[in-house]
Amino acid sequence: ILNVEQSPQSLHVQEGDSTNFTCSFPSSNFYALHWYRWETAKSPEALFVMTLNGDEKKKGRISATLNTKEGYSYLYIKGSQPEDSATYLCTTEIEDKLIFGTGTRLQVFP
Amino acid sequence: DVKVTQSSRYLVKRTGEKVFLECVQDMDHENMFWYRQDPGLGLRLIYFSYDVKMKEKGDIPEGYSVSREKKERFSLILESASTNQTSMYLCASRPRTGWLPYEQYFGPGTRLTVT
Repeated sequence: ILNVEQSPQSLHVQEGDSTNFTCSFPSSNFYALHWYRWETAKSPEALFVMTLNGDEKKKGRISATLNTKEGYSYLYIKGSQPEDSATYLCTTEIEDKLIFGTGTRLQVFP
Repeated sequence: DVKVTQSSRYLVKRTGEKVFLECVQDMDHENMFWYRQDPGLGLRLIYFSYDVKMKEKGDIPEGYSVSREKKERFSLILESASTNQTSMYLCASRPRTGWLPYEQYFGPGTRLTVT
């Protein structure tokens, strides 16, 4: 059974704080790692799809890094805003299927 | 914009009923997926399909079946609904891209309650 672990489970921060989450995954047979943002009452939306060891991707205030050899990825949010409040899902891809972690629920208070 | 729609946002059914959850995507994607999401668990794959009339079991197919008669539509069927199938059901699609990984596009989910 392949496990994708995310930590922390939940996080409460003040507006303007920077934050980061961790995703750990089995490093054998690695193909790709995805990050999704899932806001309440909306569809999950892709943030990043990463494949290469050492890869770093950025979208606005959000960035992610990938270490495929040790099996972890970090997601960073710089200067959190209330609209960043969501559940952030990490998933690793094996043979065309995604295996999801349980997510990190972020709440940003104004 | 890719759009994945699901037939209902909320659904309440009785134990033993046959339930159909419909998913439609408008971007000609080959691959479609059905997941369920329960508190404390990650999204779990029920079934997926690579093309019309093709289906593959995911991690938790028991109690479910699927139908893909047209490329844009992927239906999840609960043959005889049970209370342990109360859950949030999410449909997703993505194109077949060969070796290149690609994001999945999700529908808004159907929250099913079986009483």
